[in-house]
Amino acid sequence: DTGVSQDPRHKITKRGQNVTFRCDPISEHNRLYWYRQTLGQGPEFLTYFQNEAQLEKSRLLSDRFSAERPKGSFSTLEIQRTEQGDSAMYLCASSLATSTEAFFGQGTRLTVV
Amino acid sequence: KQEVTQIPAALSVPEGENLVLNCSFTDSAIYNLQWFRQDPGKGLTSLLLIQSSQREQTSGRLNASLDKSSGRSTLYIAASQPGDSATYLCAVRAKLNSGYSTLTFGKGTMLLVSP
Repeated sequence: DTGVSQDPRHKITKRGQNVTFRCDPISEHNRLYWYRQTLGQGPEFLTYFQNEAQLEKSRLLSDRFSAERPKGSFSTLEIQRTEQGDSAMYLCASSLATSTEAFFGQGTRLTVV
Repeated sequence: KQEVTQIPAALSVPEGENLVLNCSFTDSAIYNLQWFRQDPGKGLTSLLLIQSSQREQTSGRLNASLDKSSGRSTLYIAASQPGDSATYLCAVRAKLNSGYSTLTFGKGTMLLVSP
């Protein structure tokens, strides 16, 4: 396993369109996290899965955002009716347990025009 | 609410210098602290993980220390090289009100090492 994989790496979309990102965590990792990073800022937590259960959602995750992890493996993050303020790098991370190292993917850079 | 601050925001040094990056956090009830490297437009690469019970970790030219009681960590880079140029992020794993935990990040220190 080569690490956390995210697809696509870049996405340009028009305002109002829906977009979906995919994250494939390290295979044995049951914990999966989504973060958002805007220019010049550190990543901010969006949501957390343990296996297929979504256990925590940040206030940053508005009604237009939805995340799934249907079989406890890969995860998807969908943004509906995109806005220019959604432009950011969306990062996925996985870990084996609370006390262990978190590994991040290369991110999906979203640009809303 | 946990807040993480990194100082300095940017640092420019000539090749070969030893340097220290600082990270402070407001709530000492953490599970661990992790240092990451981020190249422009890329994801995060984990450098070092320090558990809350540990004082320091070393990997090659990197040494990270943790003083949990005072809410501080430092990342020491020895004999810096141009390839070390990147943004360095500090993150603490702490419990949320829900009982689950996540990483809270600082804004990073942008390091430039010139030849």
